[in-house]
Amino acid sequence: DTAVSQTPKYLVTQMGNDKSIKCEQNLGHDTMYWYKQDSKKFLKIMFSYNNKELIINETVPNRFSPKSPDKAHLNLHINSLELGDSAVYFCASSPKSRGDTEAFFGQGTRLTVV
Amino acid sequence: GDSVTQMEGPVTLSEEAFLTINCTYTATGYPSLFWYVQYPGEGLQLLLKATKADDKGSNKGFEATYRKETTSFHLEKGSVQVSDSAVYFCALSDRGAQKLVFGQGTRLTINP
Repeated sequence: DTAVSQTPKYLVTQMGNDKSIKCEQNLGHDTMYWYKQDSKKFLKIMFSYNNKELIINETVPNRFSPKSPDKAHLNLHINSLELGDSAVYFCASSPKSRGDTEAFFGQGTRLTVV
Repeated sequence: GDSVTQMEGPVTLSEEAFLTINCTYTATGYPSLFWYVQYPGEGLQLLLKATKADDKGSNKGFEATYRKETTSFHLEKGSVQVSDSAVYFCALSDRGAQKLVFGQGTRLTINP
């Protein structure tokens, strides 16, 4: 069973479109995250949710809107896509929001905006 | 703010060579430290972690020791294999920060 699963794995779309990436975890964790990995492999947090409540919004443009319908799901909706949004987006979860616990990552969604 | 600096890659070694990937950090509190590994086309997997000074994390022959005096968490392995080829990320998390701060990643290639 996949612990943290994201769909789709690949997403190619035109500038200006709106798209969503879905994430689900079956680990029973309370905290979920979205990270962005740019073309140079640099990883940076975008959002963190704890029990469906937004904890961290790391100065991400408001075209990006996370939605957590329950604590097992954290979806990412992106409006008016731009070329610079091309990246790999990783969903992750951890059992607690404390810093000493590891995060479990999904396989990533490679978004290409053309 | 908190930050992590890793040695520049890429690193290319021969099988059975000794590996060191340097990692230093800056943090205002007392962070936990992690090494994650990303194999081609996959997500990140935790390789090892240490939560307090002088702790040593180890897994799959890899080791790293939390050195508070030098703010370092260098990754080492005595004898690398081709299957160790991947991108390695050093990361920290402050207890209250609720997020991981990553280094820039180091691409490691092991040749047979």
